[in-house]
Amino acid sequence: EADIYQTPRYLVIGTGKKITLECSQTMGHDKMYWYQQDPGMELHLIHYSYGVNSTEKGDLSSESTVSRIRTEHFPLTLESARPSHTSQYLCASSDGGYNEQFFGPGTRLTVL
Amino acid sequence: SQQGEEDPQALSIQEGENATMNCSYKTSINNLQWYRQNSGRGLVHLILIRSNEREKHSGRLRVTLDTSKKSSSLLITASRAADTASYFCATDGEGYSTLTFGKGTMLLVSP
Repeated sequence: EADIYQTPRYLVIGTGKKITLECSQTMGHDKMYWYQQDPGMELHLIHYSYGVNSTEKGDLSSESTVSRIRTEHFPLTLESARPSHTSQYLCASSDGGYNEQFFGPGTRLTVL
Repeated sequence: SQQGEEDPQALSIQEGENATMNCSYKTSINNLQWYRQNSGRGLVHLILIRSNEREKHSGRLRVTLDTSKKSSSLLITASRAADTASYFCATDGEGYSTLTFGKGTMLLVSP
């Protein structure tokens, strides 16, 4: 079944740890996105990709990095997590066109 | 700067009533989309309306777009408890490549 997956769903870690949030989609979409969302707030685009080997920074300045080595995989990495990174991270993909986006369930990150 | 602003921030109604949410935006758009987010989950695409369309229907959803006023509204008719969620409008920019989301309207439908 075509879908978009994110792991882990919840993560609690200590300050200074390196973490990678995984995002995979089986829909064959070229475009993928990472958003950061605090509770009850709007989504902020932090990274996006047009396809393999393409990555772009979004509107919100972020200390994270992304890679796109395979079409289906778009991981996000924080080299040194801080409490200010505590948030929900949402991954999405689209097939272009009118850019209707399909979202994963999200990763809720807490940095102590 | 934020593109979409939803109004009201929160709305509480009874089952069977209609719910109307509004979205205003600042710059020219190619299309406007509405999404739903259940608590703690990802967003689900509901409906897209293109800039040359004025109204669109999908089941119990009705979306209008007024490009002269840079505003859109989402009407949910005959609301159900399962409609309880946050609703976001999203607008695109040049080239359709990215979306800008508003802060959302939190809808509570009581049985």
